[in-house]
Amino acid sequence: GAGVSQSPSNKVTEKGKDVELRCDPISGHTALYWYRQSLGQGLEFLIYFQGNSAPDKSGLPSDRFSAERTGGSVSTLTIQRTQQEDSAVYLCASSPDRQNEQFFGPGTRLTVL
Amino acid sequence: QKEVEQNSGPLSVPEGAIASLNCTYSDRVSQSFFWYRQYSGKSPELIMSIYSNGDKEDGRFTAQLNKASQYVSLLIRDSQPSDSATYLCAVKVQGAQKLVFGQGTRLTINP
Repeated sequence: GAGVSQSPSNKVTEKGKDVELRCDPISGHTALYWYRQSLGQGLEFLIYFQGNSAPDKSGLPSDRFSAERTGGSVSTLTIQRTQQEDSAVYLCASSPDRQNEQFFGPGTRLTVL
Repeated sequence: QKEVEQNSGPLSVPEGAIASLNCTYSDRVSQSFFWYRQYSGKSPELIMSIYSNGDKEDGRFTAQLNKASQYVSLLIRDSQPSDSATYLCAVKVQGAQKLVFGQGTRLTINP
């Protein structure tokens, strides 16, 4: 079946602009996660959704970062007023439920100039 | 102390040999453990999960968990050049849903 999909695959933006990253989880997966991966920080958790609710937002690095999920499916991660330190690969993962393995999408590589 | 620690490598193993990758974690209530493989420029791919003490085998891969020692390992038998990648250890702590990742071990299989 289809895996997790993310768009765009690459995004180059200028400092100060807003960006939206999209994640489409595996069909039927109720849990959705956002992570980011950068050279200096490794792979770090951002936010977790169960259905449309986000019970754990503890990894969002600042109030410039927000995310939503609608219809228990697609999620959007928004970064406002982007900074150069936001440059990273943003990875989305989904899971059949909160107990199970997480499967990653291909990621969005964000570059902030 | 980092929550999840791995030797960053690089670990170099001849083709056909056994590659052994190790991971230690600091939180005693961790309950779920995962190994992901990540090729350069690609996203992590789940290869093994283990939840209870002992060994779990899947093809050429064996995951080993020792909760008393807070240690989890991955053995790759009959290593192939296609196994060359970074291997990420991930831990899920009881009561939390996020995965905490180690920095990864870069493995190179030499033909």
